[in-house]
Parts: sequence; C-alpha cells; structure tokens
Amino acid sequence: SQTIHQWPATLVQPVGSPLSLECTVEGTSNPNLYWYRQAAGRGLQLLFYSVGIGQISSEVPQNLSASRPQDRQFILSSKKLLLSDSGFYLCAGGTYGYTFGSGTRLTVV
Amino acid sequence: GENVEQHPSTLSVQEGDSAVIKCTYSDSASNYFPWYKQELGKRPQLIIDIRSNVGEKKDQRIAVTLNKTAKHFSLHITETQPEDSAVYFCAASQSYNTDKLIFGTGTRLQVFP
Repeated sequence: SQTIHQWPATLVQPVGSPLSLECTVEGTSNPNLYWYRQAAGRGLQLLFYSVGIGQISSEVPQNLSASRPQDRQFILSSKKLLLSDSGFYLCAGGTYGYTFGSGTRLTVV
Repeated sequence: GENVEQHPSTLSVQEGDSAVIKCTYSDSASNYFPWYKQELGKRPQLIIDIRSNVGEKKDQRIAVTLNKTAKHFSLHITETQPEDSAVYFCAASQSYNTDKLIFGTGTRLQVFP
C-alpha cells in the first residue's frame, strides 16, 4: 500500500531563514502529490500539486515554492520565511486515492 | 475553481446522540466526496467516501448522503462515543485518484460522556 513519508515532524525557524521540507512516497509510482497548510484551528489549504516530475501547479500566491525532482519526491521550499508561514504542513497524494503524511509543524519566530 | 463550505464549525453532543455535518460544493464536475477525521496534532484519516453514482453509503455508525442536484453532502454519526471527538473535514474532487481534493473548513465535534 502507498505510504507518504514526511520530515521533520517539528521545526522552529527564525524569520528570514530558508526552508526545505521533504516528502517521499513508497509503495506506488507516478503519484499525484500535494502540499497543504493548516493554520492553527483552521482548514486545509492546498498550496501546490504535482502530476509528475518537474510539473508544479500553484494554488495560491505566497512566499513558498515546490519542486518535484523525482517521481516519488516532493519538496516544499522558501528562501526567506515569514511569521505568517507558521503552520502544520501536510504532504498528501498517491495513485490510489489520497494518503497523508504525518505532517510538519513549522513555527517561525 | 471548486469551493467547499462546511457547517457547523463546532458541534457538541451527548454520548449516544447523533451528529450531522453538512457540506456544499460549487463545481458540478465534482464526483468524489470523502470525509476525513483529524485528531489533535495528527494527520487526517479517511473515514468514509462517496462517489456521485450513489446517494448514500453506510459503514457501521457512519453514513454519508449525497444530493448532486443540490450540490450538498452530509456526514451522519449515530450513537456517538467520546472517541468520536475530533475535527471532521469534508472534501470534493473531480476524480478519485487523479484530481486535487478541496477541503471544507472543518467541524470540531465534541462528544460529552
């Protein structure tokens, strides 16, 4: 069965520092992959999705970017973090419906 | 693009009572509607889903109904238990495995013993 691996689980970063969150997929190939952000007590906002290597679609303008260097790897990045980037980041996707990773709780201080 | 609205934002019920959460969607092309349960600090977990070729689906104490004409779908939990307390999200997409899911804003369900 497909599994989404995501790390780190928690991260505290200063304002202006870079960010790189990695998501990898196991148990399937050619998955659609998604990055969501969940602010405290809020819903799941779709940030980026990818249907294949090098293919990225952005849902909302923001301070973040995404890349898909390999079929089973999806990376969320920022060159300079803002306070408003704090939140719970979830990678999701797969070939057979949606599977979520365990999430990264990012606090920008 | 798709927009999913979810009500209520919070719901408190007594153990044993029923709970109903409602969602509406805007894109008539949507035909896959899953429901997720998220416990505090955890990832969302799929609890039930429905596709547009059926109007109702049940799994033990959980059921989902879909009205494609009105573009709304609902989650029904019967005989609620304290362990049902969590945040529930509805979602919609055009395809089970090839399209992005757009989520509702969530409902915080509290079941009091």
